[in-house]
Amino acid sequence: GAVVSQHPSWVICKSGTSVKIECRSLDFQATTMFWYRQFPKQSLMLMATSNEGSKATYEQGVEKDKFLINHASLTLSTLTVTSAHPEDSSFYICSALTSGAETQYFGPGTRLLVL
Amino acid sequence: QKEVEQDPGPLSVPEGAIVSLNCTYSNSAFQYFMWYRQYSRKGPELLMYTYSSGNKEDGRFTAQVDKSSKYISLFIRDSQPSDSATYLCAMSAYDTGRRALTFGSGTRLQVQP
Repeated sequence: GAVVSQHPSWVICKSGTSVKIECRSLDFQATTMFWYRQFPKQSLMLMATSNEGSKATYEQGVEKDKFLINHASLTLSTLTVTSAHPEDSSFYICSALTSGAETQYFGPGTRLLVL
Repeated sequence: QKEVEQDPGPLSVPEGAIVSLNCTYSNSAFQYFMWYRQYSRKGPELLMYTYSSGNKEDGRFTAQVDKSSKYISLFIRDSQPSDSATYLCAMSAYDTGRRALTFGSGTRLQVQP
C-alpha cells in the first residue's frame, strides 16, 4: 500500500519558537495533501488542503499566517507552526491523495508539545 | 448538528465476538465512505473503502452502506485483542470538488481476551 511518512515524530519546543513538520509520500506522487490536527480523545479536524504548486486552502478558524503550508513537490508538503504557544500542542497528521483517487493515506503523525 | 455522527463508545466485547460500528450522516453529497483504524498515538490506517450502497467484505471486515438512510456500518467478525483501537468513519463528496474527509468522532473498541 501507499506509504506516507512524517518527520519528526515528536517535538518539544519553547513558546515563541517555530516548528516545521514534513510530510512525504514515499512510493507515489501526491497531487493533494491534507493537514489535520487531533486533540486527545477527539477526532481529526482538517486544518488545510494543499495542492502541489499552489497556495493552501485553510479551513475556517485556522490562521494561515500561523500555520504555514508549503507543497513544493509532488512528494513533499511542510507545515510550519510559527510562534508556537502551549495551546498549539497537539497531534498533527498529514494525508496524501493521488490524482483521480479517493483514498487518503495517512502519515504516522507528529506530536507537538509547546512548553 | 454534526455532519457525521458516531458513537464514541467505549465498546468492550469478548474475544471472538462480532462487533458492529456505525455512523450516520446528514450531507447527501457524501459519496465515498471509508473506515480507518487508529491505534493510540498513531496515524489512521485505511481498513475499508466503498462508494456504493451495499456490502463490501475483506477478510474479517464487512463495510455496509445505506445511502437512502444515510447510515454506514463496519462489522468485525471473530474479533481479536489486536483489534482494540479507535475506529473512525470518514466520508467525502468528490463531485463537489471538496476532496477532504469529514470524520466521525471515532469509536473506541476494547476486545477482552
